[in-house]
Amino acid sequence: EPEVTQTPSHQVTQMGQEVILRCVPISNHLYFYWYRQILGQKVEFLVSFYNNEISEKSEIFDDQFSVERPDGSNFTLKIRSTKLEDSAMYFCASSEGQGVGYTFGSGTRLTVV
Amino acid sequence: AQKVTQAQTEISVVEKEDVTLDCVYETRDTTYYLFWYKQPPSGELVFLIRRNSFDEQNEISGRYSWNFQKSTSSFNFTITASQVVDSAVYFCALSGNQAGTALIFGKGTTLSVSS
Repeated sequence: EPEVTQTPSHQVTQMGQEVILRCVPISNHLYFYWYRQILGQKVEFLVSFYNNEISEKSEIFDDQFSVERPDGSNFTLKIRSTKLEDSAMYFCASSEGQGVGYTFGSGTRLTVV
Repeated sequence: AQKVTQAQTEISVVEKEDVTLDCVYETRDTTYYLFWYKQPPSGELVFLIRRNSFDEQNEISGRYSWNFQKSTSSFNFTITASQVVDSAVYFCALSGNQAGTALIFGKGTTLSVSS
């Protein structure tokens, strides 16, 4: 069964450093997403991406964050100058279209120290 | 604005008991989609079901069943004869009809099943 792949599974970074979280969505999916889950809390939407541009973003997705599809397969989330409160599980997801089968990756646990 | 409310923060049951997880949603869209996800202790999000707003038929899949009622904006999830492996956090989620729209999650219900 096709799956969304995220790397790394766990990343530790120092406060103020830049991190790039990587995702390989399902190949025939057109929509890509990043979500965040702070430990013990709900899953929160960050951004959706379609046709090489952001289609929707939440209040959380400020200038500290950026997304990119650098090639035909990868989808990345960059966090500039990380803060302690950026520590969370970051999930990538992809879908074929609206309301259809969001498939989530297994997540990247980011720890900012 | 869209919103999902899971009023039950934690539920504890003994194996073989039936348990119902509640989900109430708010949306102005006439077409929307409802989901349930399971998050086991390992942390991944496991898709359980998707329902569109025009399909109010209840669904049963093994020990799992879902009751969708538009009149009360609810999409409840029942586990029959619960097992220890059902212990997890369960999230209800809602998305609109626009392509690429966000999936809005509830806060989740932590289910603990003891033997």
